[in-house]
Amino acid sequence: EVQLLESGGGLAQPGGSLRLSCAASGFTFSSYAMDWVRQAPGKGLEWVSTISDSGESTYYADSVKGRFTVSRDNSKNTLFLQVNGLRAEDTAVYYCAKEPHYCSGTGCYQGGWFDPWGQGTLVTVAS
Amino acid sequence: QLVLTQSPSASVSLGASVKLTCTLSSDHSSYAIAWHQQQPEKGPRFLMKLNMDGSHSKGDGVPDRFSGSSSGAERYLTISSLQSEDEADYYCQTWGTGIRVFGGGTKLTVL
Repeated sequence: EVQLLESGGGLAQPGGSLRLSCAASGFTFSSYAMDWVRQAPGKGLEWVSTISDSGESTYYADSVKGRFTVSRDNSKNTLFLQVNGLRAEDTAVYYCAKEPHYCSGTGCYQGGWFDPWGQGTLVTVAS
Repeated sequence: QLVLTQSPSASVSLGASVKLTCTLSSDHSSYAIAWHQQQPEKGPRFLMKLNMDGSHSKGDGVPDRFSGSSSGAERYLTISSLQSEDEADYYCQTWGTGIRVFGGGTKLTVL
């Protein structure tokens, strides 16, 4: 069974930092792109970041670019999100998610959608 | 700009059917999307990937009551024989190179 377990959330002050982790199991972690998605209280889902299977390629939403850094340790089946320069509007539940493969006649590729999702970790930014 | 548009809410009676709509921005009408369900106080759950031709592949354990279809830039999620546990927020989501996008979500109330 595929499982994703986030940790590292908590209370941080404006301008502060946290390091979120996502422990993966039940699949070959190093073969899949991974994502972070967040949800502010009472709001919708917002994509935060994507990292390729090897970690060589990373992408960010404009709202976090330059402040957040995604990384992964394929030897430990773990995804990370370093969040710096925290703002009140970063308060949210942060979910990690796996991107399935899309396979056609020419091969298999990074899918772009999310399946499954983790249970989330809450980040609260307040003084 | 890649944008997904959803109606904010829908209310449907128990046992009835509902068709939720997700509209792609006009320049992206051929894109595939995914539907995700988020029940109250829970994390999201993948329901299905839906292609422009209406073909779709569902996630593990998703009931047959859930189906998808497409027409032009619109992508639909149909839920038949509504049950109380279907009361949830439903999000469509799409992707491009280096970007992932969510619609604003539709809050489905089962009366």
